[in-house]
This record gives sequence, structure tokens and C-alpha cells, in this order.
Amino acid sequence: SQQGEEDPQALSIQEGENATMNCSYKTSINNLQWYRQNSGRGLVHLILIRSNEREKHSGRLRVTLDTSKKSSSLLITASRAADTASYFCAAGGSNYKLTFGKGTLLTVNP
Amino acid sequence: KAGVTQTPRYLIKTRGQQVTLSCSPISGHRSVSWYQQTPGQGLQFLFEYFSETQRNKGNFPGRFSGRQFSNSRSEMNVSTLELGDSALYLCASSLVWGRDYGYTFGSGTRLTVV
Repeated sequence: SQQGEEDPQALSIQEGENATMNCSYKTSINNLQWYRQNSGRGLVHLILIRSNEREKHSGRLRVTLDTSKKSSSLLITASRAADTASYFCAAGGSNYKLTFGKGTLLTVNP
Repeated sequence: KAGVTQTPRYLIKTRGQQVTLSCSPISGHRSVSWYQQTPGQGLQFLFEYFSETQRNKGNFPGRFSGRQFSNSRSEMNVSTLELGDSALYLCASSLVWGRDYGYTFGSGTRLTVV
């Protein structure tokens, strides 16, 4: 079964709006990572948050981590049409093995 | 610098055949992971190699195997192909294993089994 589970499965917003995606995982982790995938291509690493961190920023991205609830969220501010993609969380568990969720499909309408 | 290179990009094989996929990591990266991506199962972890040793393994049958060479390049092999093995196979590299580093993915090899 998947370690990470994203919510919602699909999200459609207008350009300029913020997009929030959530991720839940099941076991203890060393880190939680977020990736983006454009249709049928390789994944692009967005951000990594360590298990002892609670919040991290990178440009228009903000990630939070709540290890007590085993959950994380990814916020993309001021979305652009180019942000349209699938977003995956990946839990870096024991042995740093990465386990991915099924992803959130984000559509940003111009 | 060059990214993660996977060859071939596309492959069509017949049931029962075997296939070998290749992955060249980013120069200096010593950890290589493999994933299978399908619409139904999503991204499934296959295995990870570091310093020519398998460090992690996913829940795939023994038909799926891999190895890593001294130059960090990696290959994965699938024997006795089944229709269900049709998928996008992604390779990812990282600087080291066992640390909090992200991974750089290749564009994948799309395998179709007919």
C-alpha cells in the first residue's frame, strides 16, 4: 500500500489563486518530499522537509509537516498556468526508502 | 551538467521475453533508484543501489532485478515479461544514500508488453 496519500485527487483553480494539497503517511519518516510531474514525464524535486522541521519555504512553495498527525501540506501561492501538473508527496521512511502517494492533479486555468 | 539519462525511451516487447533498461545518473551521484509507474498502482518502488550494493527493495517478484556498476550506472532487468509489466519505468539518482537528499529523475522508459 502507498505510504503517502494525497488529498484532493484533483484540483482546478484560476491563475493567481493559491493551491493547497495535503498528504498523509502511515509510518515514521526521516523526511517528506514533494515532486511535480508534467504529463508522462520524469518527476521534478520541489522541496524536502526533515522530520524535525515544521515549515519550509522555497519561492512560491510552502510546505508544512505535522509528525504527530503524520501529515504534510504543500501550498503554491499565486498559481500560474505553468504550474499545471501532478504533485506527489514521498515519505522517506526507514532506510530512507521513498514511498510515493498517488498524486494530486492540479489544473490552473488561465 | 547532464541530467539522469535513461535508455531506451520506448520499448515494445512480447510476453515471455526479457528486457534490460539502463540508467546513467548525474555525474557525482552515487545512489540510483528505480520506480514503476502505472495508472492503476501509481509510483511503486523497485529497488535502490548505492556503491554497487542494493540498499532497499520493493515488493516486486524476483523477475525484477537490478545492478549498479562501479561508475554508478545502473541497469534493471525484467525476465519473462507479462502484460502487467507495461509501465513507465523511472530511474532517479541522488548524491548519496541514507541522508536527507532529494532525487533527480530521468524521463523514463516506457515499456509496452504485447
